[in-house]
Amino acid sequence: SQTIHQWPATLVQPVGSPLSLECTVEGTSNPNLYWYRQAAGRGLQLLFYSVGIGQISSEVPQNLSASRPQDRQFILSSKKLLLSDSGFYLCAWRIVTTAEQYFGPGTRLTVT
Amino acid sequence: GQQVMQIPQYQHVQEGEDFTTYCNSSTTLSNIQWYKQRPGGHPVFLIQLVKSGEVKKQKRLTFQFGEAKKNSSLHITATQTTDVGTYFCAPRSANDYKLSFGAGTTVTVRA
Repeated sequence: SQTIHQWPATLVQPVGSPLSLECTVEGTSNPNLYWYRQAAGRGLQLLFYSVGIGQISSEVPQNLSASRPQDRQFILSSKKLLLSDSGFYLCAWRIVTTAEQYFGPGTRLTVT
Repeated sequence: GQQVMQIPQYQHVQEGEDFTTYCNSSTTLSNIQWYKQRPGGHPVFLIQLVKSGEVKKQKRLTFQFGEAKKNSSLHITATQTTDVGTYFCAPRSANDYKLSFGAGTTVTVRA
């Protein structure tokens, strides 16, 4: 069966510090991968998605970037965090032949 | 992405009662998915609707896609405390890769 891992679960970072969040998927090949951000009590905002290694589509221009160095690895990064980057970051995957997305447990980021 | 509006934003329900949450679009949708997010958790896929007028049931949950494919609804009967959470509708985009999530309906249940 497929599983999706995200770490860390929680993170507190000062403004201006770098960020690296990692997401890995097990049990499937060539998944579509997604990064979402959810502000407290709000909906999900799609940040990036990837349909293959090295292929990244950005949905919202900001100080975040994403990379997919391996088929089942998706990384979200920032060189300098802003207060507005605080939120719940969710990684998700889907296989091309099905419709649903499966979400990881998420990382709660607080920028202080 | 395709924009949808979910109403109500909050729903406070007495245990045992029924309620409905709605997802409305100004444009025709190719299909729509529903997700549930428990407090502190991550979204979990519930269902996908594709056909005009489609109705699907999952135990006490009934999902419907409008005839014009511009709206969808989720009806829960005999609400239980396990129904607490936020329910999101999410239309798929034309390029098939992306979902656009509505703002969600957050449900609380009074025992």
